[in-house]
Amino acid sequence: DAGVIQSPRHEVTEMGQEVTLRCKPISGHDYLFWYRQTMMRGLELLIYFNNNVPIDDSGMPEDRFSAKMPNASFSTLKIQPSEPRDSAVYFCASSPSQGNYGYTFGSGTRLTVV
Amino acid sequence: SQKIEQNSEALNIQEGKTATLTCNYTNYSPAYLQWYRQDPGRGPVFLLLIRENEKEKRKERLKVTFDTTLKQSLFHITASQPADSATYLCALANYQLIWGAGTKLIIKP
Repeated sequence: DAGVIQSPRHEVTEMGQEVTLRCKPISGHDYLFWYRQTMMRGLELLIYFNNNVPIDDSGMPEDRFSAKMPNASFSTLKIQPSEPRDSAVYFCASSPSQGNYGYTFGSGTRLTVV
Repeated sequence: SQKIEQNSEALNIQEGKTATLTCNYTNYSPAYLQWYRQDPGRGPVFLLLIRENEKEKRKERLKVTFDTTLKQSLFHITASQPADSATYLCALANYQLIWGAGTKLIIKP
């Protein structure tokens, strides 16, 4: 398995533009997680899915953020409109289970909003 | 509220020595504790998981202890190598993972 695949690796966009981040989890993993990482706040859970269904989106900062998982092999995180404070590294991770199994992370998308 | 503390200062260790990283927590009783390694520009990589009823777990040069009375986990790397230099994150869970901020480990040749 190629692991968790994220795209793009880097994204630079202007404030107000729509940004879409993509993730392909490991086949057979029932859980998919979207995280954001900054120096100030560390790793923050934004939302997670179980069997393609969103379970907890309490970490999504505001209505500008949305996430979908239309099937078991694909998920998107969308920011519309983007703001400079959204600049961070966004990680997708997948796992067969929650706390009792290790998570496999993608390489992340470094988002810069100017 | 739940709180996880890892050494915020970088840990400098001489090659060949044992590196010991600490993870302390409060206001929480996790069933599992996980350790990850993160290199610059990469995602965290899972290393070890230890359960609340396990005192110690080993994997090659790595050893993790879990003391639920002290609310502390220690992560040891024996015979450390420069390639072990990275940031190490602990995460606690009953269901969702709660993450520490990580400790940067530098192994000097």
